[in-house]
Amino acid sequence: DTAVSQTPKYLVTQMGNDKSIKCEQNLGHDTMYWYKQDSKKFLKIMFSYNNKELIINETVPNRFSPKSPDKAHLNLHINSLELGDSAVYFCASSNREVDTIYFGEGSWLTVV
Amino acid sequence: AQSVTQLDSQVPVFEEAPVELRCNYSSSVSVYLFWYVQYPNQGLQLLLKYLSGSTLVKGINGFEAEFNKSQTSFHLRKPSVHISDTAEYFCAVSSLNTGGFKTIFGAGTRLFVKA
Repeated sequence: DTAVSQTPKYLVTQMGNDKSIKCEQNLGHDTMYWYKQDSKKFLKIMFSYNNKELIINETVPNRFSPKSPDKAHLNLHINSLELGDSAVYFCASSNREVDTIYFGEGSWLTVV
Repeated sequence: AQSVTQLDSQVPVFEEAPVELRCNYSSSVSVYLFWYVQYPNQGLQLLLKYLSGSTLVKGINGFEAEFNKSQTSFHLRKPSVHISDTAEYFCAVSSLNTGGFKTIFGAGTRLFVKA
């Protein structure tokens, strides 16, 4: 059983489109995250939710909108995609805010 | 504000040789320290962590790290590496900020093990 699963794994889309990435965790964790990893492997947090409540919102363009329907799901919707949005997006979760973070396999987004 | 510096972007090493991947951090408050490994085309997974207690922590796959508060370091070591250890390694620091606990990651160190 995959602990943190995200779909799709690969996504190629044109500039200006809107796309979503879904994430689910079956670990019973309270905290979920979205991270962005660029081509140089630099990993940066985008959002953090605790029990469906947004607790961290880094300086991310408001074209990115997370949605947490329940504490096991944290989806990421991206409007008006730009070339610079091309990256790997990782969903993750943890039991508490200071604890091991469990990552999904990543979603490779390519904007053309 | 906290920060994490991984001093080496790439570390090439021969199989069965020892390796040390360096990590330094800065923070004005207490920190919790982690090392994660990322194999190609996969997500990150925990190698080891320091939350409290003994400053020498042992992790999976024969890795260990030592928390040195005076030098603000958390270097990762392995006495004898295998080809399968080739991966990207990330040091991470968690500390309490105004908005709650926050974890930030270093830029990563690519370990390349040669036969």
